[in-house]
Amino acid sequence: QVQLVESGGGVVQPGRSLRLSCTASGFTFSTYEMHWVRQAPGKGLEWVAVIWHDESEKYYADSVRGRFTISRDNSKNTLYLHMNSLRDEDTAIYYCARDQGGARMDYWGQGTLVTFSS
Amino acid sequence: DIQMTQSPSSLSASVGDRVTITCRASQSIRRSVNWYQQKPGKAPNLLIYGAITLQSGVPSSFSGSASGTDFTLTISNLQPEDSATYYCQQSYTRPWTFGQGTKVEIK
Repeated sequence: QVQLVESGGGVVQPGRSLRLSCTASGFTFSTYEMHWVRQAPGKGLEWVAVIWHDESEKYYADSVRGRFTISRDNSKNTLYLHMNSLRDEDTAIYYCARDQGGARMDYWGQGTLVTFSS
Repeated sequence: DIQMTQSPSSLSASVGDRVTITCRASQSIRRSVNWYQQKPGKAPNLLIYGAITLQSGVPSSFSGSASGTDFTLTISNLQPEDSATYYCQQSYTRPWTFGQGTKVEIK
């Protein structure tokens, strides 16, 4: 069965960096576009970034462009989100999601939480 | 960016009721709307895509419709397990945007 497992979240200080990972199984990872979507505590969903199956194209939300980088390693079935210059407003659960086609996200991971220390 | 205005923000209904949630897009997006269900502490789950097509494995009590820039999710015969927050998402153009969510509670 399809599984997506995120990791790498934690407590960080503003201005620091963090790398999130999403390990996929149960499907041919290298043929799917993949997304990162985040959810601030008690808030709604915010799309963050998408990467084409072959890394040929990447797109970002304005709120993270220039600070976050999405990447993937198809040989390891793993999606990444490199987050730099982190801000308090980046506090959220970060989900990876598979794109079934046309930006419909049919499988999601359980999420990994990024929070900030004062 | 395309704004998705979702209403109501919350509702309370009884088991067996018919519930309707609406999303209005800020511009024409054809039928490029997906609907998700999210239960507390869980990831979202795709219910409907292309405004009207039921995702595989989703109960037929869920349905979607579209009229111009208005999109509707209907839950017929509401069940206790339908208690959740529901989100619409436009998939017409980047950046993909979500509605604010509708929390459905069971009376």
